[in-house]
Amino acid sequence: GQQLNQSPQSMFIQEGEDVSMNCTSSSIFNTWLWYKQDPGEGPVLLIALYKAGELTSNGRLTAQFGITRKDSFLNISASIPSDVGIYFCAGGALSGSARQLTFGSGTQLTVLP
Amino acid sequence: DAGVTQSPTHLIKTRGQQVTLRCSPISGHKSVSWYQQVLGQGPQFIFQYYEKEERGRGNFPDRFSARQFPNYSSELNVNALLLGDSALYLCASSVRGEAFFGQGTRLTVV
Repeated sequence: GQQLNQSPQSMFIQEGEDVSMNCTSSSIFNTWLWYKQDPGEGPVLLIALYKAGELTSNGRLTAQFGITRKDSFLNISASIPSDVGIYFCAGGALSGSARQLTFGSGTQLTVLP
Repeated sequence: DAGVTQSPTHLIKTRGQQVTLRCSPISGHKSVSWYQQVLGQGPQFIFQYYEKEERGRGNFPDRFSARQFPNYSSELNVNALLLGDSALYLCASSVRGEAFFGQGTRLTVV
């Protein structure tokens, strides 16, 4: 099935550093969502974006909905150990009458003490 | 408030068997979607139901079916299981385009 192009695939950073990851697509989306998934758990919604150009923050997290509606990025500032996990972007669109999400392949984040 | 709940959390089945997974959405959410997540990949859309009607279906074979009940809970059925059906099956309830996921059911087909 289709997946978005998410990069980087993995990151190793020092505690306190900032992190940036992004997603690109050949398709236009109406919404962009960012999720974090811990092992054995379902994805947890971090940020939802609804309009092209929108910049939204949630604590140390900031995400933007690209102007072309085909991309989005997520920044994490001043990383801490509990930021470890897999981060997924997801583009939301209407397909027929179904509202479905298309996910990226994930960014595995490791925070070193 | 209770989030999305799924049962069972883990399941082991033999090839050729049938399986039923269950999901209860967040109270007040009328839309339920099912996703399949294989190891190392992002979730893949299987079905969306809204007000008990199927609204969409992803690129999955007819062995996969689902339904939604009057209380908005949902079941996903998979017939004639294959080894490749081994995955984490996620249910999400949604409102205003935001999808909230349950903890998933880990299905292992042997």
